[in-house]
Amino acid sequence: KNEVEQSPQNLTAQEGEFITINCSYSVGISALHWLQQHPGGGIVSLFMLSSGKKKHGRLIATINIQEKHSSLHITASHPRDSAVYICAAAMDSNYQLIWGAGTKLIIKP
Amino acid sequence: GAGVSQTPSNKVTEKGKYVELRCDPISGHTALYWYRQSLGQGPEFLIYFQGTGAADDSGLPNDRFFAVRPEGSVSTLKIQRTERGDSAVYLCASSLNGVLAGFGTGELFFGEGSRLTVL
Repeated sequence: KNEVEQSPQNLTAQEGEFITINCSYSVGISALHWLQQHPGGGIVSLFMLSSGKKKHGRLIATINIQEKHSSLHITASHPRDSAVYICAAAMDSNYQLIWGAGTKLIIKP
Repeated sequence: GAGVSQTPSNKVTEKGKYVELRCDPISGHTALYWYRQSLGQGPEFLIYFQGTGAADDSGLPNDRFFAVRPEGSVSTLKIQRTERGDSAVYLCASSLNGVLAGFGTGELFFGEGSRLTVL
């Protein structure tokens, strides 16, 4: 069992839909990162969370430390949101990030 | 520069050759990370610098891989006697502080990566 698991692996939705990507982890962490990677492109850091909720534009990230669960939401999705979304955990005692497998999101116009 | 800059963006080389990949982090960022991402897989940690020193190089796959950061800013990842299995995108990231416990965690900023192809 991976220490960081994401679901779904693949998600296809219509433009305008509300998107939720989930991340569960089984280890103690100091923070959780949400990152975005476009095909053939670099990785962009979206959020770093250690508690609560953060919002940036149409993106919202939440984390529940007790349940070891985080979600990334996209409101009013747009085709340009199509990318792979990755969660990565920074552990309490280990600065190496543990990466989820990623969620490939496709938003159709 | 405004972001993390990596050069070259693409490198094609022949098996057995020596390769250097450069990372120029965001100015003032003390922590620098190298990752390797093979096709269809998540990034694999290689090495973490805090300042000039390699705080953890346990992710380097073997002694053909070496990285330096002599002045605490630009870092160079060096690969000797390249093999076809070294083909991957090499990603560099920096953060203001390290993610090491005690320093607090830092938001990561990634470069666009250097795509290495070994023929």
